[in-house]
Amino acid sequence: QVQLQESGPGLVKPSETLSLTCTVSGGSISSYYWTWIRQPPGKGLEWIGYIYYTGVTNYNPSLKSRVTMSVDTSKKQFSLKLNSVTAADTAVYYCARAQITGDLDFWGQGTLVTVSS
Amino acid sequence: EIVLTQSPGTLSLSPGERATLSCRASQSVGSSYLTWYQQKPGQAPRLLIFGASSRATGIPDRFSGSGSGTDFTLTISRLEPEDFAVYYCQQYGSSPLTFGGGTKVEIK
Repeated sequence: QVQLQESGPGLVKPSETLSLTCTVSGGSISSYYWTWIRQPPGKGLEWIGYIYYTGVTNYNPSLKSRVTMSVDTSKKQFSLKLNSVTAADTAVYYCARAQITGDLDFWGQGTLVTVSS
Repeated sequence: EIVLTQSPGTLSLSPGERATLSCRASQSVGSSYLTWYQQKPGQAPRLLIFGASSRATGIPDRFSGSGSGTDFTLTISRLEPEDFAVYYCQQYGSSPLTFGGGTKVEIK
């Protein structure tokens, strides 16, 4: 069974960079689209983007100027960096595995990141 | 970007009743690219239906999906206590991937 686990700081100061890593276990990192989604408290889901195992990326245009994703296939990890954060970036951040059709079939448990001084 | 509008926002029903959830897209979405998720409080979303009508592994057959073009429906034939949750539709017919705002199915 594929499992994903997010890790990273739960508190980030305004204007700084949010950094999260997702570790994949129980399956291959090849041939899938490794995705980040976020959910502000009490609100809906927002797609941040994905990175293919080859390193090809696709970001949400609404966040593209601030997002960088990377992948380390040897460690079976992929990462998210979101710079210049504000309080509006406070959310539960999920990593997930996506099929080519966009179906998100495996999810991490999510990690709450709060932006506050 | 394709905007997905889910209705109703909240559905108040009793166990055993039928739930019908709607997802309307601002542009046509290929059926292969329409997905439904269930989310319970404090949990990550769970994949229910992919390709508009195919159940994911382990999903009971009381859940069914239908529709095409701009109108899609998730039906729960007889609500079980564990089905009370928020349901999201999602499309990836065109980038960016987008989600609907969700329908909360609550106990009446």
